[in-house]
Amino acid sequence: EPEVTQTPSHQVTQMGQEVILRCVPISNHLYFYWYRQILGQKVEFLVSFYNNEISEKSEIFDDQFSVERPDGSNFTLKIRSTKLEDSAMYFCASAPELWETQYFGPGTRLLVL
Amino acid sequence: DQQVKQNSPSLSVQEGRISILNCDYTNSMFDYFLWYKKYPAEGPTFLISISSIKDKNEDGRFTVFLNKSAKHLSLHIVPSQPGDSAVYFCAASGGAGNMLTFGGGTRLMVKP
Repeated sequence: EPEVTQTPSHQVTQMGQEVILRCVPISNHLYFYWYRQILGQKVEFLVSFYNNEISEKSEIFDDQFSVERPDGSNFTLKIRSTKLEDSAMYFCASAPELWETQYFGPGTRLLVL
Repeated sequence: DQQVKQNSPSLSVQEGRISILNCDYTNSMFDYFLWYKKYPAEGPTFLISISSIKDKNEDGRFTVFLNKSAKHLSLHIVPSQPGDSAVYFCAASGGAGNMLTFGGGTRLMVKP
């Protein structure tokens, strides 16, 4: 069964460094998403992406964040200058169409020291 | 932000019995609801969904009920199995976009 994959599974970085989290969505899906879950808190929406453009973003998704689909398979989340409070699990999700079920990857655990 | 709330952080059930997980929402723009199951160190796994035009959706052992007037949904698992032990998240979407708003999760423990 097709699934969303994410790399790396864990990333440790120093505050102020740039990180890139990678996702390979399910191959025939058109809508891509990033969510995060800070330890002990709810899963929160960050951004949605369709047709090479951001379609929605939350207040969390400020200028430090960017997303890109550099080729036909990868979908990346870049954090330009990480802060301590960016430490979280980051989940990528994809959906075949706008109003269809989103399928999640296993997540990347990001720790900012 | 408490637009989607799961009031029970945990639930313990005997194997073979029914598990009922509850979820309340406040945003009347929500029109699509989903349940996800999550094991530690894994991403949320889709279980079942329901559109606001229905009040019940069934898939094998899993049934989701939606009460729009009460802004309440529930997930029934019958019969419960030890492998069902996980954290269950309720999520909702609607309005202008398809972003999911999640509840805080309920940890279900099914005892053999």
